[in-house]
Amino acid sequence: EIVLTQSPGSLSLSPGDTATLSCRASQSVTSNYLAWYQNKPGQTPRLLIYGASNRASGIPDRFSGSGSGTDFTLSISRLEPEDFAVYYCQQYSSSRLTFGGGSKVEIK
Amino acid sequence: QVQLVQSGAEVKKPGASVRVSCEASGYTFTEYYIHWVRQAPGQGLEWMGWINPHSGATNYAQKFQDRVTMSRDTSITTAYMELRRLRSDDTAVYYCARDVRVLGTLFWYFAFWGRGTLVTVSS
Repeated sequence: EIVLTQSPGSLSLSPGDTATLSCRASQSVTSNYLAWYQNKPGQTPRLLIYGASNRASGIPDRFSGSGSGTDFTLSISRLEPEDFAVYYCQQYSSSRLTFGGGSKVEIK
Repeated sequence: QVQLVQSGAEVKKPGASVRVSCEASGYTFTEYYIHWVRQAPGQGLEWMGWINPHSGATNYAQKFQDRVTMSRDTSITTAYMELRRLRSDDTAVYYCARDVRVLGTLFWYFAFWGRGTLVTVSS
């Protein structure tokens, strides 16, 4: 199984700042089959990015994904109040899907 | 529009079983897999497995291999997830989610989710 390790576990930022979240895989994620989700308390996870760098429908362009192989990044520029949440990466390159442990973006 | 409507909250005793349903609408049920993902209180997302509604084939995460059964009833476009021998650490919100098809190829990321079913395991 591919283990995804997200860092940092949490970060405190102010509105307008840029968040940079990392997702490292224990083995190569083929075809960059990596997605990112936003999760807020009491809400359903929301797909942000698929294929490592493709924004899902309706996702603002301040969210961007990059990376390949074993190292992937989610960047959130110009943080808005509604962006403070937990973010998860997920790989879908193997038949046994896995999620990272999450990164919490908190308001400073 | 795609909708996944899940059954209501459950309270179970340790050792019991629970079955959660997920009724799909707004698309052809047999053309997309249904996945189950759970989230324990304050914890992250955990993939449990999928079912192919067309064939009934399943694929489970190793962790749940001996305790979970996923099934479906195509006549009512509903998928089910049964978890047996419940323990307190199975207390979680259980989500069903649908994958994505692009140009005939299925990709196992999730644009559509049910609202979740809280399963509480307590004596």
